[in-house]
Amino acid sequence: SQQGEEDPQALSIQEGENATMNCSYKTSINNLQWYRQNSGRGLVHLILIRSNEREKHSGRLRVTLDTSKKSSSLLITASRAADTASYFCATGNRDDKIIFGKGTRLHILP
Amino acid sequence: DAGVIQSPRHEVTEMGQEVTLRCKPISGHNSLFWYRQTMMRGLELLIYFNNNVPIDDSGMPEDRFSAKMPNASFSTLKIQPSEPRDSAVYFCASSFRQVKNIQYFGAGTRLSVL
Repeated sequence: SQQGEEDPQALSIQEGENATMNCSYKTSINNLQWYRQNSGRGLVHLILIRSNEREKHSGRLRVTLDTSKKSSSLLITASRAADTASYFCATGNRDDKIIFGKGTRLHILP
Repeated sequence: DAGVIQSPRHEVTEMGQEVTLRCKPISGHNSLFWYRQTMMRGLELLIYFNNNVPIDDSGMPEDRFSAKMPNASFSTLKIQPSEPRDSAVYFCASSFRQVKNIQYFGAGTRLSVL
């Protein structure tokens, strides 16, 4: 069963604009991750934020986590055509498995 | 490092046939995961192993599915007999438990059961 739910399901923006995707989850977590999947490929880990962290940056990526609202957001600044992909949040707890949401399909328009 | 290697990349088979998917995890990783991805259900965890031992197989849909990990560098997912509803992309991922939860995915096997 899905733990995370991404919003929106699909997003189209102009190149150079910022893209924001949101993730909501139901139960307590130890960490939350974001992954990217290009068409026809496997998922690639982007960033992990722990439950005691509120914000994390990696290059053009900014992730926030609000454990009181059980939600996270992924911001991609200055989007590029190569950012076109599906983005998934995944929640982790004490065991080794992570549970993925259904993803947001991001399309960067030239 | 070559990353997680899956084979075959594509498999087309007829209903009732046995299908075997293969995975070689990243060397040194001690956890291995099998996922199934469909448009309707998204990415579902089927089973995962720690140190070659199956830990959680609650996601395996039914007895037609089985998975093995005979050693640290090889795992198989078998479907017998296959059915059209098994058509999906199957991913294998591995992780290093000391860097908890971050998983590295293979390119997947696209299975079509006719």
